[in-house]
Amino acid sequence: GDSVTQMEGPVTLSEEAFLTINCTYTATGYPSLFWYVQYPGEGLQLLLKATKADDKGSNKGFEATYRKETTSFHLEKGSVQVSDSAVYFCALSDGDYKLSFGAGTTVTVRA
Amino acid sequence: GAGVSQSPSNKVTEKGKDVELRCDPISGHTALYWYRQSLGQGLEFLIYFQGNSAPDKSGLPSDRFSAERTGGSVSTLTIQRTQQEDSAVYLCASSPQGQGFGQFFGPGTRLTVL
Repeated sequence: GDSVTQMEGPVTLSEEAFLTINCTYTATGYPSLFWYVQYPGEGLQLLLKATKADDKGSNKGFEATYRKETTSFHLEKGSVQVSDSAVYFCALSDGDYKLSFGAGTTVTVRA
Repeated sequence: GAGVSQSPSNKVTEKGKDVELRCDPISGHTALYWYRQSLGQGLEFLIYFQGNSAPDKSGLPSDRFSAERTGGSVSTLTIQRTQQEDSAVYLCASSPQGQGFGQFFGPGTRLTVL
């Protein structure tokens, strides 16, 4: 079945540091890939997405590229801020419905 | 614009009682999903609606769980004879037709079973 494996946390960084969260997937078809973010006390928000190989999703300074050859969708940000502290979830949708989520990675950015 | 709304935001109930959780999707979104978020299990898919029909109920953990959707809009998730292991945050999401749009989540209902 479809599955997502993402880098275990927690991750603690200083402001302006570079952030990478690794995500790899297993799917039988050609999935769409997503990153969701959950800020403290808030609901899940769609951060970015990519629907086919070599697509790059980007939003709020975050980027991720759909790599079919390595079945990966790693999340990156060049210079994090305290406000980026959150839990990040990688997810895939293989077909027209349900999302399969990774376990989530907790990121804490220190001033 | 209005996002996905859920009610109640918090629900505390006693073991053995029935509970109903409500979801109002984004207007015009034909697809609606229920997920559960718990510490031990992460984010789990429960059920998917396309319009008023539920082509995939595979994630419902037991026959104590049921859901319906009426008028292609509001959905209710019902848990009968609640157990302590049902304690979790229940999330609803909606999406326009078609893969790749992503799903838009509500704030969730935190259910605590005493």
